[in-house]
Amino acid sequence: ELKVEQNPLFLSMQEGKNYTIYCNYSTTSDRLYWYRQDPGKSLESLFVLLSNGAVKQEGRLMASLDTKARLSTLHITAAVHDLSATYFCAVVINDMRFGAGTRLTVKP
Amino acid sequence: NAGVTQTPKFQVLKTGQSMTLQCAQDMNHEYMSWYRQDPGMGLRLIHYSVGAGITDQGEVPNGYNVSRSTTEDFPLRLLSAAPSQTSVYFCASSSVMRSNQPQHFGDGTRLSIL
Repeated sequence: ELKVEQNPLFLSMQEGKNYTIYCNYSTTSDRLYWYRQDPGKSLESLFVLLSNGAVKQEGRLMASLDTKARLSTLHITAAVHDLSATYFCAVVINDMRFGAGTRLTVKP
Repeated sequence: NAGVTQTPKFQVLKTGQSMTLQCAQDMNHEYMSWYRQDPGMGLRLIHYSVGAGITDQGEVPNGYNVSRSTTEDFPLRLLSAAPSQTSVYFCASSSVMRSNQPQHFGDGTRLSIL
């Protein structure tokens, strides 16, 4: 059965700092999705990674995929308060499974 | 652009009652799915559908039924509500299951079972 693990589950960081969120999954997949969720809101798509070595960047966020290691990373550069949210990765095999989420808090 | 529309947004039920959560999309997507979100557990897949007339179980299907009579609609039925089903429910859709595009999510239904 496909398992998707994110770490850390909670992350508190100061503005201006860099950090990486990790997403490991148990079964080979050629695509991975990252979503953002603000408190009380729905999920918003950030990135779709479709192949080994895929890298996508949007603003201060950069996501990468290593299908051989079954690992995706979401790197945050020079964090700002507006990035405070919960970030989810999701993987599709026979159906779509989500990680537990990383709750990010960026403090001034 | 309506996207994925869920109704109701909030609902309180008593244990043992039944109800249907509605989900409709206007993007002609074949793949639709229902998730529940509980604190600290991410989103867990309840049921999904790859097209009209086809449904399948996800991780946590017990206590829920679905049907897909049209491409647009994918209702989720709680047969006999239990307090353990208190959660936020999200419906999502994409063109196909293994899409190059992300799933579109509805705004969610907050359900409380007393």
